[in-house]
Amino acid sequence: DTGVSQNPRHKITKRGQNVTFRCDPISEHNRLYWYRQTLGQGPEFLTYFQNEAQLEKSRLLSDRFSAERPKGSFSTLEIQRTEQGDSAMYLCASSSSGGGYEQYFGPGTRLTVT
Amino acid sequence: SQKIEQNSEALNIQEGKTATLTCNYTNYSPAYLQWYRQDPGRGPVFLLLIRENEKEKRKERLKVTFDTTLKQSLFHITASQPADSATYLCALGFSGGYNKLIFGAGTRLAVHP
Repeated sequence: DTGVSQNPRHKITKRGQNVTFRCDPISEHNRLYWYRQTLGQGPEFLTYFQNEAQLEKSRLLSDRFSAERPKGSFSTLEIQRTEQGDSAMYLCASSSSGGGYEQYFGPGTRLTVT
Repeated sequence: SQKIEQNSEALNIQEGKTATLTCNYTNYSPAYLQWYRQDPGRGPVFLLLIRENEKEKRKERLKVTFDTTLKQSLFHITASQPADSATYLCALGFSGGYNKLIFGAGTRLAVHP
């Protein structure tokens, strides 16, 4: 297994458009997290899945954001009606509930809203 | 209010010296603390975890301390190398919280030959 993968790596979109990002976690990991990171800041927690259940959502996740993990494997994060303030790096991480607390991050998807 | 503070300015040190990075937090009660390394354009990479009942952890050239009274963690890199240049993030974890992490803003370390 090569680690957590994210697609696309970069996305440029116009304000008002919808975008969808995909995350493929490490295959045996049942926990999946989405974070958002802006320049000069650390990652901010957005949402958490254990298997297919979305168990926690940050208040940062407005109603324009939705995340799914339909079969407990890959996950998607959709942003509707994008705004310039959505421009950021979107990071996905996974971990195993049977392992330690460390999280394994993907390379991120950089979103630019023009 | 709740805060995590890391050195906001970049830390510049000479190769071979020990780098010491600081993470202070306010109004949190973490069960554990983690340190990650992040290179430009990449996701964070896990380095070390220390629990609230542990004072010190070591891994090769890395050492982390955790003082829950001072609400502070120190991260040391001994015999630093230019390849250690990166941003280092501290993150707080909590029991019963699905292991979501609260990150500091990070400290940029530059090791000069």
